[in-house]
Amino acid sequence: NAGVTQTPKFRVLKTGQSMTLLCAQDMNHEYMYWYRQDPGMGLRLIHYSVGEGTTAKGEVPDGYNVSRLKKQNFLLGLESAAPSQTSVYFCASSLSREGEQYFGPGTRLTVT
Amino acid sequence: LAKTTQPISMDSYEGQEVNITCSHNNIATNDYITWYQQFPSQGPRFIIQGYKTKVTNEVASLFIPADRKSSTLSLPRVSLSDTAVYYCLVGDMIKAAGNKLTFGGGTRVLVKP
Repeated sequence: NAGVTQTPKFRVLKTGQSMTLLCAQDMNHEYMYWYRQDPGMGLRLIHYSVGEGTTAKGEVPDGYNVSRLKKQNFLLGLESAAPSQTSVYFCASSLSREGEQYFGPGTRLTVT
Repeated sequence: LAKTTQPISMDSYEGQEVNITCSHNNIATNDYITWYQQFPSQGPRFIIQGYKTKVTNEVASLFIPADRKSSTLSLPRVSLSDTAVYYCLVGDMIKAAGNKLTFGGGTRVLVKP
């Protein structure tokens, strides 16, 4: 049981490049989330999904897109990376809306 | 809006009990209170969740007074490995995000030898 895994762990992008972050969970959770955490700050919700085929905007969705084609996977895309998107990205999943969230190890993204 | 307020930081010593209070004056009737712990370079980890009175598990206790306008996370006999940031969350992340109130700044706990 791997829990929540994220790929890649680290990435450096140049401004304007695109990339996709992959999150996978093996707990059959309905809810999945993408957060970003800037240095010394709390987490901010980017997008979330309440089930396969659904996505919704969180607190800071601009510049990001997501897809949940399979229940176990939640993809976060950056179409045109900007230095302001330099951050650590965490994925999480939960069985219910108020239930315990299980977080992945994070992806450290630097945009130069 | 169930805005939460926590102390920015707290220092303690090994073996002591650490109590972190979170204020949430506008908590809604159906909101649960959840605490997470985060170590550097790791994702947050669930500690405990409660609705009212007292909840205890193997790592912490959560005290919630009758008016539910605050809650206190109690970590008994802390060790150096309890040095982390602790976040109080009221309600759920989806509701909180809609109100621009996801995880707050958290409380940075430093346990000294």
